[in-house]
Amino acid sequence: GAGVSQSPSNKVTEKGKDVELRCDPISGHTALYWYRQSLGQGLEFLIYFQGNSAPDKSGLPSDRFSAERTGGSVSTLTIQRTQQEDSAVYLCASSLRSTSRLSGANVLTFGAGSRLTVL
Amino acid sequence: DAKTTQPPSMDCAEGRAANLPCNHSTISGNEYVYWYRQIHSQGPQYIIHGLKNNETNEMASLIITEDRKSSTLILPHATLRDTAVYYCIVRYRDDKIIFGKGTRLHILP
Repeated sequence: GAGVSQSPSNKVTEKGKDVELRCDPISGHTALYWYRQSLGQGLEFLIYFQGNSAPDKSGLPSDRFSAERTGGSVSTLTIQRTQQEDSAVYLCASSLRSTSRLSGANVLTFGAGSRLTVL
Repeated sequence: DAKTTQPPSMDCAEGRAANLPCNHSTISGNEYVYWYRQIHSQGPQYIIHGLKNNETNEMASLIITEDRKSSTLILPHATLRDTAVYYCIVRYRDDKIIFGKGTRLHILP
């Protein structure tokens, strides 16, 4: 597609339920990032993928959070046993890995986000 | 932690140039400086990036000091639509990218 697509755009769930958030990056983009943004706060890094591998999972808040990426394309962020503090906008971004070892420039393109509300 | 420091907020009169500063004193030689902005309830939008030289595009100009320890984003003729949070980040290739709190820019009519 032309941009990064995220679904659902809005999700309301009850405390204790599991949720899955999906990110469809720009075709050909090898790097994929997940961020979380609580109301009035900045972007909190969660995880990033290079292809299907996640070199850095250090931002995942707890073991209730997991993410996977298959086929170097679509990624799913799963939150198990949701809590009210999980309520936030979850943002996904993708970028094209530079093919030149001399070039470090990669521009992130963000999706519109998935707004999660846990009641 | 973010590798950059920005003022939490700034005001600018409509039609004037908005100059947003960013300190990145620990930047390494191969790290680029990027600027993004986030308009309320939308995903961040790329503005501009640079390595050593000053850069200009249709949205803004980026001035990087000679020692690369700081930079300034310039919006030449600010409009109300430029009201947003502006993020300055440094990164190399596909490193983990940390966004700081950014600068909330208010454009005053």
